[in-house]
Amino acid sequence: EPEVTQTPSHQVTQMGQEVILRCVPISNHLYFYWYRQILGQKVEFLVSFYNNEISEKSEIFDDQFSVERPDGSNFTLKIRSTKLEDSAMYFCASSDRAPREGYTFGSGTRLTVV
Amino acid sequence: GDSVTQMEGPVTLSEEAFLTINCTYTATGYPSLFWYVQYPGEGLQLLLKATKADDKGSNKGFEATYRKETTSFHLEKGSVQVSDSAVYFCALKSSGSARQLTFGSGTQLTVLP
Repeated sequence: EPEVTQTPSHQVTQMGQEVILRCVPISNHLYFYWYRQILGQKVEFLVSFYNNEISEKSEIFDDQFSVERPDGSNFTLKIRSTKLEDSAMYFCASSDRAPREGYTFGSGTRLTVV
Repeated sequence: GDSVTQMEGPVTLSEEAFLTINCTYTATGYPSLFWYVQYPGEGLQLLLKATKADDKGSNKGFEATYRKETTSFHLEKGSVQVSDSAVYFCALKSSGSARQLTFGSGTQLTVLP
């Protein structure tokens, strides 16, 4: 079964540093997403991406965040200057033209900012 | 805006017990509804879905029926197993052009042998 792959599985970074979280979506999917889950809280939408541009973003997705599809397979989330409150599990997801059928999520990257 | 409310956990059951996890939603129009499961140390997996009123989603013995009149999508299983221990998330996608999912807060289920 096709999978969404995320790397690394766990990243520790110092406050103020830049981090890049990487994702390989399912190859024939067209829509890509990032969600985050702060420990013990609900899963929150960050951003969706289609046709090489952001299609939706939440209030959480401020200027310190950016997304990119640098080549035909990777989808990245960059956090420019990490804060302690950015510590969370970050999930990448992808979907085809019919997201009513559900999204496929990756297994997540646990980001710890110290 | 859209929202999903799940019963608070944690829920602890004995093996073979009946499970219900309540989920209600607020959304305009006819959203699509989903249950996702997160096993310890893993990501989110789609468990089941329903895309229109009165649809019943089912998978691995779990069921949920899309009830428009009560705006609910309760998850049920007749006989839980230890391997069902996980966090369960109810989610919706609105009927408009927005593609994001709105999640509930999750319910931790622990099944004891």
